[in-house]
Amino acid sequence: EPEVTQTPSHQVTQMGQEVILRCVPISNHLYFYWYRQILGQKVEFLVSFYNNEISEKSEIFDDQFSVERPDGSNFTLKIRSTKLEDSAMYFCASRQGGETQYFGPGTRLLVL
Amino acid sequence: DQQVKQNSPSLSVQEGRISILNCDYTNSMFDYFLWYKKYPAEGPTFLISISSIKDKNEDGRFTVFLNKSAKHLSLHIVPSQPGDSAVYFCAASARAGGTSYGKLTFGQGTILTVHP
Repeated sequence: EPEVTQTPSHQVTQMGQEVILRCVPISNHLYFYWYRQILGQKVEFLVSFYNNEISEKSEIFDDQFSVERPDGSNFTLKIRSTKLEDSAMYFCASRQGGETQYFGPGTRLLVL
Repeated sequence: DQQVKQNSPSLSVQEGRISILNCDYTNSMFDYFLWYKKYPAEGPTFLISISSIKDKNEDGRFTVFLNKSAKHLSLHIVPSQPGDSAVYFCAASARAGGTSYGKLTFGQGTILTVHP
């Protein structure tokens, strides 16, 4: 069964460093999302991406964040200058055209 | 942001009995609802969903009920099994831009423990 994959599974970085989180959505899916979950809190929406552009973003998704679909398979989230409060699980999700989003296993980001 | 709320942080049931997980929402624009199951250190796994034009959807042991007037939905698991022990998230979606469903808004989750 096709699934969303994410790399790396864990990332430790120093505050102020740039990180790139990678996702490979399900191959025939058209809509792509990033969510995050800070420890003990809700899963929260960051950004949605369709037709090679951002379709919606949350107030969390400020200028430090960017997304890209560099080729036909990868979908990346870049954090330009990480802060301590960026420490969280980051989930990528995709959907084909129906309503259900399918999630990847997540990347645990720890900013020191 | 409390648009989707799961008021019970945890639920404990005996194997074979019914588990009922509840979810309330406040945003009347939500018209599609999903339940996800999540194990520690894994991503949410889709379980079952319901559109606002229905009041019930069933898939095997899982049934979701929607009460639009009360802005309430519930997930029933019958019979409950120890492997069902996980965190269950309710999520809601509203049509974005009038053409398609957009972001999901999640509840806080309910930890379900099914005892053998």
